[in-house]
Order: sequence, then C-alpha cells, then structure tokens
Amino acid sequence: DGGITQSPKYLFRKEGQNVTLSCEQNLNHDAMYWYRQDPGQGLRLIYYSQIVNDFQKGDIAEGYSVSREKKESFPLTVTSAQKNPTAFYLCASQTGLGDTQYFGPGTRLTVL
Amino acid sequence: QKEVEQNSGPLSVPEGAIASLNCTYSDRVSQSFFWYRQYSGKSPELIMSIYSNGDKEDGRFTAQLNKASQYVSLLIRDSQPSDSATYLCAVRYGGSQGNLIFGKGTKLSVKP
Repeated sequence: DGGITQSPKYLFRKEGQNVTLSCEQNLNHDAMYWYRQDPGQGLRLIYYSQIVNDFQKGDIAEGYSVSREKKESFPLTVTSAQKNPTAFYLCASQTGLGDTQYFGPGTRLTVL
Repeated sequence: QKEVEQNSGPLSVPEGAIASLNCTYSDRVSQSFFWYRQYSGKSPELIMSIYSNGDKEDGRFTAQLNKASQYVSLLIRDSQPSDSATYLCAVRYGGSQGNLIFGKGTKLSVKP
C-alpha cells in the first residue's frame, strides 16, 4: 500500500527528555511537512523539507529539530527546550509540483 | 498576517439537509484552496481542492470559490451522520511552492 506512516501512534515522555517521531512515505513525494495540532486550534507548521538534505523552519520551530537524509523519511525530534510539547503531531507530504498535501495518521505526544 | 477564518461551530443540521461551511482568507494572491475532513482523534483527509472561481462538484460535495470576495465554501448535500466531523479550510499562500495556512476548523454535527 502506498501512503504515509507515522510511529508511534501514542508517545509518553517525561519532562526533560528528547523524543523522536518517525514519518515515512512511499509515495515518491519530494516535499514533507510537520504540523502540530492543539485542541480547538488549526494546524501549525513546525518544519518542512522540499528536497533531500534541505529543510526550513516553519512558524513554530523553536524546541524542535528535523533531518532529511532520505527522500522517504523526515523524522522530528521534540527536544527538552520545547516548553509545551503535549499535542497531536501530523506529518504530511506532497509532490514537487506544489499540489495537494496528504497526511499520515499522526502521533499523539503526552508529557508526564 | 496571513489568515484563514472559519466559524468554529458547532454547526448542527438534520440528516438529509444541506450543510454549508464557510471560509474567508486574507491574501488576494492565493491560488489554491483545499477542504479537509477530520474525524475526532484522526488525521485530516482531503475532500476537495479548488483553484478557479465558481463551483466544483464531487458527489455530494460542492466547493465554491469567489476570489473577489476572498471567500471559499463547502456545501454537503444530503448530509449523513457519518459526515459529522471537523472541516478544515486550507489556503496556499505565496504561489505554487507556498505553504498551506489552515483555519481552525468548523465542527459539523448531523443529527439523525
């Protein structure tokens, strides 16, 4: 099946710990995105990458880091510097032609 | 400030009625507009995209775009309880390679 996978589905973190969220796609899409969604809020862009080995900060990049070593993979690390990391994290991808974004199933992160 | 505004709802309609969801945006140069449906606890899924003024129909869904009024809407005919979800409007700013800006969503409830 073609699509976007995210793991884990649920993640619990203690304060002060870094955690890495996985995002993989087999759609051969060039661009990948990370969003954060809080209750009653729209999606806010954290980081995006339009090509391998290159990525840009979105609107709320502080406390997060990413890498794009392979076209298929775009992991997101939530660092201890992120003050309020509890949220629903969504990965998306789209073709290089600037068309539609498709979303993975999401990871729900809870800080204990 | 690039903004996408939606009425948060909840919008309640009886089964079989037409549901009308509205979205306004702030940037006149926007070219691409998207409607996503998001069930509770799930990730957004694309319903429709629209790029030109006028109506675009897909089954029970019709998207309407009026660039002069900076307004995009989604009509759902013959609403079903399974249509109960939050509907997100997204607008692409900055041309074909621009990022999406999401509204906060409108929660729709279809009563049997």
